Amino acid sequence: EVQLVESGGGLVQPGGSLRLSCVASGFTFNSYAMSWVRQAPGKGLEWVSAISSSGASTYYADSVKGRFTISRDNSKNTLYLQMNSLRVEDTAVYYCAKPINYDILTGYFVNWGQGTLVTVSS
Amino acid sequence: QSALTQPASLSGSPGQSITISCTGSSSDVGGHNYVSWYQQHPGKAPKLMICAVSDRPSGVSNRFSGSKSGNTASLTISGLQLEDEADYYCSSYATTSTPLVFGTGTKVTVL
Repeated sequence: EVQLVESGGGLVQPGGSLRLSCVASGFTFNSYAMSWVRQAPGKGLEWVSAISSSGASTYYADSVKGRFTISRDNSKNTLYLQMNSLRVEDTAVYYCAKPINYDILTGYFVNWGQGTLVTVSS
Repeated sequence: QSALTQPASLSGSPGQSITISCTGSSSDVGGHNYVSWYQQHPGKAPKLMICAVSDRPSGVSNRFSGSKSGNTASLTISGLQLEDEADYYCSSYATTSTPLVFGTGTKVTVL
């Protein structure tokens, strides 16, 4: 059974930093691209970032480009999201998501974690 | 890159059919077939219902079907059931600086 478990969320002041982690199990982690998707309270879904299976290629939404960095450690089956220069509008539940296929940007997310809440507030 | 446009809400009675639209542009929905649909119940993670415009992943009811015409994709729910009451989001690959976009979301109410 595929499992994705996020951690690292919490309360941070504007301008601060936070690193999210997503530990994967139940599938061959190093064969799949992975993504982060967020959802602000009471709002819709927003794709944040994606990384190729090897980690060599990364992609970002314009809203986080230059502030967030996605990475992975295939030896630890773990996906990361380093978030710097956080803004109030970054407040959201952050999900890690695994696609149904091997493509990086088709967005067919068949497996999702439970999400971790990031709150940016002074 | 703006979100894809969906109606904010739709409703129907049990047994009826409803269709949710998802309108984009030639840079996203209209430019290829990388369109998917998600169902999200309150407090839960999204569930993939449709990929590649009209393909149903294993385990998804055949009451859900997808299609596309030009820059607009659609999700049809046939034989509406109480359990179908949820939020629905479309998603598409985009040839813009933000390569993956979601729709604004549609709240489906089963009366």
